[in-house]
Amino acid sequence: DSGVTQTPKHLITATGQRVTLRCSPRSGDLSVYWYQQSLDQGLQFLIQYYNGEERAKGNILERFSAQQFPDLHSELNLSSLELGDSALYFCASSPRIGATNEKLFFGSGTQLSVL
Amino acid sequence: LAKTTQPISMDSYEGQEVNITCSHNNIATNDYITWYQQFPSQGPRFIIQGYKTKVTNEVASLFIPADRKSSTLSLPRVSLSDTAVYYCLVGDLTGGATNKLIFGTGTLLAVQP
Repeated sequence: DSGVTQTPKHLITATGQRVTLRCSPRSGDLSVYWYQQSLDQGLQFLIQYYNGEERAKGNILERFSAQQFPDLHSELNLSSLELGDSALYFCASSPRIGATNEKLFFGSGTQLSVL
Repeated sequence: LAKTTQPISMDSYEGQEVNITCSHNNIATNDYITWYQQFPSQGPRFIIQGYKTKVTNEVASLFIPADRKSSTLSLPRVSLSDTAVYYCLVGDLTGGATNKLIFGTGTLLAVQP
């Protein structure tokens, strides 16, 4: 158990809808990362938050947004969903700002299926 | 941009030692090299991390040559349960101080009986 909690584990929805994925980092970790993994792609970095502030951005679509709350949990909002958004979404956390010597602790992911 | 290159896949048999090499020609001075293991439908899990020379823990060894442009993950005496995707991760420092931890394509290790 990594200590990172993601909910829900599975989500089935229709095209055009909006969903929210939730992540609780390990106790004491200040950074939260979101990754997308689809069948034909590897782990795609979406966005990182550190202590409530956006820290780094990857190839995140404009239809996607995220935030980190004062209690350090994070939410990833996906809107106007398309079939291609179907993927496994992982959240990870690390103790500090995300220097390259930090270890990432991943949650078990949210499997999103857009029908 | 510290892009990494790994073999797409490797095959091995139980009990053998497996070495997976990762190339990172543009590694920055401050970058560490970290390896993760991922099983299907699970999040990646930290295996080992190093900066230079050799690092060993209870599950693997990591060899890093002096020029640090590559690294080799060594798994001793693999078992069927070591079948997984292995990722080499080097910090991507593009965008100034912004740090984006970018995973490469990974290496699918298939261990057979």
